[in-house]
Amino acid sequence: DVKVTQSSRYLVKRTGEKVFLECVQDMDHENMFWYRQDPGLGLRLIYFSYDVKMKEKGDIPEGYSVSREKKERFSLILESASTNQTSMYLCASSAVVGYTFGSGTRLTVV
Amino acid sequence: DAKTTQPNSMESNEEEPVHLPCNHSTISGTDYIHWYRQLPSQGPEYVIHGLTSNVNNRMASLAIAEDRKSSTLILHRATLRDAAVYYCILRDRGDDKIIFGKGTRLHILP
Repeated sequence: DVKVTQSSRYLVKRTGEKVFLECVQDMDHENMFWYRQDPGLGLRLIYFSYDVKMKEKGDIPEGYSVSREKKERFSLILESASTNQTSMYLCASSAVVGYTFGSGTRLTVV
Repeated sequence: DAKTTQPNSMESNEEEPVHLPCNHSTISGTDYIHWYRQLPSQGPEYVIHGLTSNVNNRMASLAIAEDRKSSTLILHRATLRDAAVYYCILRDRGDDKIIFGKGTRLHILP
């Protein structure tokens, strides 16, 4: 079964910490994406990448950065975590037909 | 981005067919119609997609209007496990990025 794996299911971090959310896919997909999901706001695109070392801003990139050093791994970085970044974070990779999503990381910033 | 309009919520009885509507009056000629669903506490999963012709797969059927301004996702025999949020999305053939709307929350009554 093809997979997108997010390293943590639940994470609690303190305000001001640097946070790394890791995502790995085993499907040799070129494209990878990071979304956050909040009640009432739905899924919003943060960053995406069409190739190694490439990145593109999505709709809400402020406060985030990403790293794509290897094809299979796409990391989301919160440079200085804030409470308004408490959310469910979802990673996805895509092929011709559709996206495959990970199970999500629920991040709480206290 | 091309937009879609879906009802906020729908209800259906178990073991009956479900028709989930989607309006996309500003669809362009290169937009594919994609459907995803999100089960509770999971990331979204791909359901089906089409361009002009009706499509069937093991999960569902997609009926596309002749003018392509609307489509309907058909679950032939709903089960309790089909309770989810269903997203109708337009995806341009030349752009892998997809933007999620609010979707339709489907409730299945036993």
